[in-house]
Parts: sequence; structure tokens; C-alpha cells
Amino acid sequence: GAVVSQHPSRVICKSGTSVKIECRSLDFQATTMFWYRQFPKKSLMLMATSNEGSKATYEQGVEKDKFLINHASLTLSTLTVTSAHPEDSSFYICSIKSTDTQYFGPGTRLTVL
Amino acid sequence: AQSVTQLDSHVSVSEGTPVLLRCNYSSSYSPSLFWYVQHPNKGLQLLLKYTSAATLVKGINGFEAEFKKSETSFHLTKPSAHMSDAAEYFCVVTVGNYGQNFVFGPGTRLSVLP
Repeated sequence: GAVVSQHPSRVICKSGTSVKIECRSLDFQATTMFWYRQFPKKSLMLMATSNEGSKATYEQGVEKDKFLINHASLTLSTLTVTSAHPEDSSFYICSIKSTDTQYFGPGTRLTVL
Repeated sequence: AQSVTQLDSHVSVSEGTPVLLRCNYSSSYSPSLFWYVQHPNKGLQLLLKYTSAATLVKGINGFEAEFKKSETSFHLTKPSAHMSDAAEYFCVVTVGNYGQNFVFGPGTRLSVLP
């Protein structure tokens, strides 16, 4: 399967600052990547679909101005949490799509103080 | 629309005993089904997948699952649990060949007792 990395693995920031999370496909050219959010002891919630070279598609209820997604190349998608607040604290996971399967990154733990 | 039910939020077994994690799905079309495992503070690892080929699917680490259309089930099994199997397990359904629209089950936490 495809190998996906995320950076950073953990980040702590102050309320009001912006945080950028990178998702990289290490061995596969990914035209589509997905960003998920996971609350403690809960399942994954799809936030948006990132498409290389075009705008991301956001799920209902996800603020696109708050969660900025950029998919500038076939191996990199970034999620920027703008003006972060404590309620944005969560585990963020990206995935890439290879034919009919998604392969997930190791996740990024965001804590907003 | 697709949906996934994982009947047990928590399963506890003793090391060396069989594991059964239940998954039922709802889909209007022929589904693809997946099992993923998530260890604490980690991403999801693909265990196995069913995509309309053999109904009995073998995965990594000794896990297997059987697709039963008549029962709309895709239960995950392993003959003998190991301590390292303790984790969260997610059943996923999707339709079509595009790997999008993954619908996740709520997850089952597997505990393995010594």
C-alpha cells in the first residue's frame, strides 16, 4: 500500500494563531487526498477532499475559511487551521486515494491553549 | 446511502483466544468493505478489504473477514489474540471504484487480557 506521512505529529499553539499541517504521499502520486478529524474515542469525520491543482471540496458544516486546504503538488497537501481556538483541538488525519482504497497518515495531534 | 454498524463498542478477550468483531452494513449497491486498525495516537492501518472477489478475505497479522451478502455482514475474526492486537478497529463501506465516500463505523475497541 501507499505510504503517507504527516508533519508535525504533535503541535501546541496559543489561541488565535494559525497552524499548518502537512500531508505527504511518499511513494505515490496522489491527485486526491482527504482530511479527517477525530475526536477522542470517536470515529473519523471527513472534513474535506483535496484535489491537486483545484479547490478543495468541503463537507457540510466545515468552515472553509477556517480550515484552508492547499494541494499544490501530487505529493503534498496542507491543512491550515486559521485563528485556532481550543475547540479546534483534535486529532487530524489525512489519507490518499489509490484506486479503491484509502491509505492513512499517522495523524497530527493539535492542542490549542 | 451507505451506513455501517459495529455492534460492540468494546470487546475484551484473553490472549490466545479467538477474536470476533462484528460489522453490518447497509448499501444500495455492491459495496467494497474494509477493516482498519488504529493503535493509540496513530493513524489507520489497512487490515483487509473486500471488493467483490473472494468472499473470505485474508488480511495481515492473521486477521480474516467473510463477506455475507444475505446477512449484510463483514465480521472480522482471528483465531488467537495477541497482546499487540489491542487497538481500535473500524469497519468501512464504500461504493464504486473511486475509493471516495468512505463511510466509517463507530469503531470497536479490542482489549486483550494476559
